[in-house]
Amino acid sequence: QQQVKQSPQSLIVQKGGISIINCAYENTAFDYFPWYQQFPGKGPALLIAIRPDVSEKKEGRFTISFNKSAKQFSLHIMDSQPGDSATYFCAPWGMAAGNKLTFGGGTRVLVKP
Amino acid sequence: NAGVMQNPRHLVRRRGQEARLRCSPMKGHSHVYWYRQLPEEGLKFMVYLQKENIIDESGMPKERFSAEFPKEGPSILRIQQVVRGDSAAYFCASSRGTAYGYTFGSGTRLTVV
Repeated sequence: QQQVKQSPQSLIVQKGGISIINCAYENTAFDYFPWYQQFPGKGPALLIAIRPDVSEKKEGRFTISFNKSAKQFSLHIMDSQPGDSATYFCAPWGMAAGNKLTFGGGTRVLVKP
Repeated sequence: NAGVMQNPRHLVRRRGQEARLRCSPMKGHSHVYWYRQLPEEGLKFMVYLQKENIIDESGMPKERFSAEFPKEGPSILRIQQVVRGDSAAYFCASSRGTAYGYTFGSGTRLTVV
């Protein structure tokens, strides 16, 4: 059972453009929705996260939008920069879902200068 | 204030040998999680441990793989009689038992030749 589906698998965007990554989940026991950023040779690092009591959260150029009824959340990267080139993972979590992060398949983002 | 420490960073083993991967969690963290990442794929959950206890090993292969987190010392992921398909990056994460402050190490890249 694939609980977390992420799309697209890869994305190429021009510098200054907007990157949008989507994540769909099945398990309603998830109650914390983070996005992780991973650079080659490194472990994932928390980028931004949202709780289900809000529909949107913004931190700098990064925004999460959350749709509880659709069981989807997305990451928007505004004014994309070459340094944003990385792989992004959604990884929802819930204490009742086993107290562990469940990762999507990842989206490789390439920002062209 | 060191983060999650994993060693070795790179490990080469011949088929049939044993691989031992070590993970020292962040100070104050008593929950440890192991994930495996195949090239171009997402992170797959393997096992969740607290001090001296295995909480969830639903992602561990039934044979050859084992994990421990003793009262003293690092968590160890052991792979016996390695095969080429075990070649992957193995990441350890630690937390205080919630999703907040979930921190990953830089991983151990295992190559089986």
